[in-house]
Amino acid sequence: NAGVTQTPKFRVLKTGQSMTLLCAQDMNHEYMYWYRQDPGMGLRLIHYSVGEGTTAKGEVPDGYNVSRLKKQNFLLGLESAAPSQTSVYFCASRRLAGDEQFFGPGTRLTVL
Amino acid sequence: GQSLEQPSEVTAVEGAIVQINCTYQTSGFYGLSWYQQHDGGAPTFLSYNGLDGLEETGRFSSFLSRSDSYGYLLLQELQMKDSASYFCAILANSGYALNFGKGTSLLVTP
Repeated sequence: NAGVTQTPKFRVLKTGQSMTLLCAQDMNHEYMYWYRQDPGMGLRLIHYSVGEGTTAKGEVPDGYNVSRLKKQNFLLGLESAAPSQTSVYFCASRRLAGDEQFFGPGTRLTVL
Repeated sequence: GQSLEQPSEVTAVEGAIVQINCTYQTSGFYGLSWYQQHDGGAPTFLSYNGLDGLEETGRFSSFLSRSDSYGYLLLQELQMKDSASYFCAILANSGYALNFGKGTSLLVTP
């Protein structure tokens, strides 16, 4: 099993550009999450999904949109990137009754 | 809302024991988790306390006291590879989302 994978691993955007980050998991987990991590801020939840076709806002959702059209995939979109969105983005998944969240390797995004 | 407090940095000597504390404020939650993250890497799960008391997994133990709004991670027989950031996290009452503390950077010295 590959676990949780994220595409791309690195990306540089200019202000105003758009992009989509892809997260995929092959563990048949129901729950999926998007976090951002900034120095000294820990992990902050952007959006999450408790099942295919459902999404919910986390702590810092502004400027991001998500979709979960298939159970195994969770997409994070930035419609108009801003320098404040420069961060490391982690995707995670968890099974319905599980204690453990499994994290992907992260996407390092720089917005100039 | 929820808030979690942990020390920002801890230094300890190889072979020693170190305790990383986590205090929290919340109206209710399912349990307290701990995650480890090495520089440049993904967070990895260490432990979960759904009930008060001590959970032991090898060299690592975690403790929760709901009455004191407090938990800790105990690392024994420290090794150099334990140098990493450690995060406590609360599983919210919804049962869906984890809220993380800002993390404790542990440096193990020879």
